[in-house]
Amino acid sequence: SQTIHQWPATLVQPVGSPLSLECTVEGTSNPNLYWYRQAAGRGLQLLFYSVGIGQISSEVPQNLSASRPQDRQFILSSKKLLLSDSGFYLCAWSYRYEQYFGPGTRLTVT
Amino acid sequence: GIQVEQSPPDLILQEGANSTLRCNFSDSVNNLQWFHQNPWGQLINLFYIPSGTKQNGRLSATTVATERYSLLYISSSQTTDSGVYFCAVEGGSYIPTFGRGTSLIVHP
Repeated sequence: SQTIHQWPATLVQPVGSPLSLECTVEGTSNPNLYWYRQAAGRGLQLLFYSVGIGQISSEVPQNLSASRPQDRQFILSSKKLLLSDSGFYLCAWSYRYEQYFGPGTRLTVT
Repeated sequence: GIQVEQSPPDLILQEGANSTLRCNFSDSVNNLQWFHQNPWGQLINLFYIPSGTKQNGRLSATTVATERYSLLYISSSQTTDSGVYFCAVEGGSYIPTFGRGTSLIVHP
């Protein structure tokens, strides 16, 4: 069966520091991968998605970037965090139709 | 892009009550999913239902694609049903569009 991992689960970082969040999927090949952010107030904002290695599409211009160095690995990064980057970051994968989410990373920028 | 509206935005129930959550979408869709986000933030798949009716225990869902809406029914609600329920649709790209969710609180 398929499993999706995200780490870390929680993170507190100062403004201006770098960020790296990692997401890996097990049990499937060539999945579509997604990064979402959920701010307080519950809406899910799609940040990036990828349909293959090295193929990244950005939905919202911002202080973040994404990379897919391997088929089942998706990384969200920032060179310098802003206060507004705080939120709950969710990685998801899909194959064909259904989308599945990881447990999320709660990021607080102080 | 496709617009998704969920109603009601908030719902408070006593344990044992039934409820209906609605998801309206503005265009034809290929895929539709219902998710439950528990109080710890985990998004759990409830149904993949681009059309028709499905049931899973106390939960059931119906999508009428021609009329562009889907309904999620929760019967005999329990406190563990609390959380936020999201509808997500996809219209031919790889990019789902989420509604803003219905926040459900079930009191014992």
